Amino acid sequence: EVQLVESGGGLVQPGGSLRLSCAASGFTFSTYTMNWVRQAPGKGLEWVSYISLSGDAIYYADSVKGRFTISRDNAKNSLYLQMNSLRVEDTAVYYCTRGPPFFDPWGQGTLVTVSS
Amino acid sequence: IQLTQSPSSLSASVGDRVTITCRASQGISSFLAWYQQKPGKAPKLLIHTASTLQSGVPARFSGSGSGTDFTLTISSLQPEDFATYYCQQLNSYPYTFGQGTKLEIK
Repeated sequence: EVQLVESGGGLVQPGGSLRLSCAASGFTFSTYTMNWVRQAPGKGLEWVSYISLSGDAIYYADSVKGRFTISRDNAKNSLYLQMNSLRVEDTAVYYCTRGPPFFDPWGQGTLVTVSS
Repeated sequence: IQLTQSPSSLSASVGDRVTITCRASQGISSFLAWYQQKPGKAPKLLIHTASTLQSGVPARFSGSGSGTDFTLTISSLQPEDFATYYCQQLNSYPYTFGQGTKLEIK
């Protein structure tokens, strides 16, 4: 079964840091590009970041550029999101997802709460 | 690229035919996907490349369009279809989503 499982979310103060992980199973992780997508409470979906197969091409949403870093470890079948200088507005459920040409599957999400 | 979905919310009954539209601010060829999301759950891919039904998705769902105007149609609403629906463009980064259409029971 193709599966993505996120971890690492939690409560952090504004200005703090957090590292999210996404464990992939059931498919050859190294042959798929990956993304992070987030969803603030009661709001819509927002694409956050993309990473290519080997990590040589990376894109970020303007809202996180310079603060978030996406990376992957193909040997460990894992995707990561290092989040620094966190803001209240970064509070959201963070999903990892495989793609493009479409986003599928999605993990169950991990909640990040930025609050003092 | 901005995506505008309409309507933002919709009330309908079981058995109804429902259409949701998604308009892109510039042409995106057929690089459009539709997702269904239920409360507390991750989004689920329904349709990709504007009109290709994802494996396992019921045939009552269909998609059409190209360029800037797209539609998602549910031919006969079932109780499990009441959810929020999002379109997404995958023509160029950032891969933007529409604001969502909440489909509620009338």
